[in-house]
Amino acid sequence: QVQLKESGPGLVQPSRTLSLTCTVSGFSLTSYGVSWVRQPPGKGLEWIAAIWSGGSTDYNSALKSRLSISRDTSKSQVLLKMNSLQTEDTAMYFCARGYGVMDAWGQGASVTVSS
Amino acid sequence: DIQMTQSPASLSASLGETVTIECRASEDIYNGLAWYQQKPGKSPQLLIYNANSLHTGVPSRFSGSGSGTQYSLKINSLQSEDVASYFCQQYYDYPFTFGSGTKLEIK
Repeated sequence: QVQLKESGPGLVQPSRTLSLTCTVSGFSLTSYGVSWVRQPPGKGLEWIAAIWSGGSTDYNSALKSRLSISRDTSKSQVLLKMNSLQTEDTAMYFCARGYGVMDAWGQGASVTVSS
Repeated sequence: DIQMTQSPASLSASLGETVTIECRASEDIYNGLAWYQQKPGKSPQLLIYNANSLHTGVPSRFSGSGSGTQYSLKINSLQSEDVASYFCQQYYDYPFTFGSGTKLEIK
């Protein structure tokens, strides 16, 4: 059974760095890519970044300077770091299997940027 | 970036009706289009990929069509469990972009 689960701090202060972890099961990170997508409260979806099955990465150009995506295949985890957080980064952050078509999603991790 | 314009923003229909949601890309995306359903408080779920291929386990009352810059999602015989927001997404080019969503309600 394919599962993805996001974990993170919940609350982050402005200008600090956000670290999110996506732990997957039921598939291998060396066979499938994983993407991160976020959704501000009451708004639409924004694709953030992806890591391919071979380990190469792609980023949303609007956020690229603030982002880093990596993985630990031994732990079946994909890590997302975003620096210089602002209030507009408040959102639900989802990880999903795939980097074009996203066929399985985690439940999401809520991130609030506030002092 | 490729802009995805989705319409309508909201839709109210009766049980058993057929509804259609439209998505227009700012340039040709060569069928690199997916549709997702998001129920309140839940994560999105894949319905359609490659513009017209039904994802495993999705009821056949959902269908996708289109080409070039114009795409649509049709839901036949609307059921109460179809109450959700629907999003299109292009994956032809980076960054992948989503439509603004359509909120579907039952009359």
